[in-house]
Amino acid sequence: QVQLQQWGAGLLKASETLSLTCAVYGGSFNDYHWSWIRQPPGKGLEWIARIHHSGSTNYNPSLKSRVTISVDTSKNQFSLKLTSVTAADTAVYFCARDPTTAEQLGGWFDPWGQGTVVTVSS
Amino acid sequence: DIVMTQSPDSLAVSLGERATINCKSSQSVLYSSNNKKYLAWYQQKPGQPPKLLIYWASTRESGVPDRFSGSGSGTDFTLTISSLQAEDVAVYYCQQYYITPFTFGQGTKLEIK
Repeated sequence: QVQLQQWGAGLLKASETLSLTCAVYGGSFNDYHWSWIRQPPGKGLEWIARIHHSGSTNYNPSLKSRVTISVDTSKNQFSLKLTSVTAADTAVYFCARDPTTAEQLGGWFDPWGQGTVVTVSS
Repeated sequence: DIVMTQSPDSLAVSLGERATINCKSSQSVLYSSNNKKYLAWYQQKPGQPPKLLIYWASTRESGVPDRFSGSGSGTDFTLTISSLQAEDVAVYYCQQYYITPFTFGQGTKLEIK
């Protein structure tokens, strides 16, 4: 059973860089795509970016100029960096698996990490 | 971007009754070459990550009770809970994965009447 465990700094000041990492346990890392998704307090879900172990990436254009997603296949981990954060970046950040592989279509998210609360203070 | 619009924003249904949540996409998410609808549904309870319920618009994820079902066309989709149970109280989201950026509906809050 695949499990995702995520971590990173939870309290940032405006203009700092958000940095989160998600580790994948119990399943194949190289077959799938891996995404970051966020949820502002009391609001809906926003997809941020995804990556494949090959390094292939997709970004949400609304955040692309500030976001970098990266992968460490030796550790079965992927990471998110978001620069120049503001209060608008305050949210719960989730990592998740996208089951898209070379042989299988996908694009939904399952499973998800537990979520990391990130608060940006001004 | 494909805009996903859910209705209603909130819904109160009696235990044992049917609950219906709608999701409309601003453009078709039906890929004609494979006749697949690139639409998923999730359930989110407070303090938890979303849980996948349905993908390809109507395929139930393993372990999801069969009272949950999904249907729809290229732009209009429905999540139905045939007989509401107390544990179904949650916020429900639809999501399109037809094209990036992947986008979600704003959510529908389901409560017990």
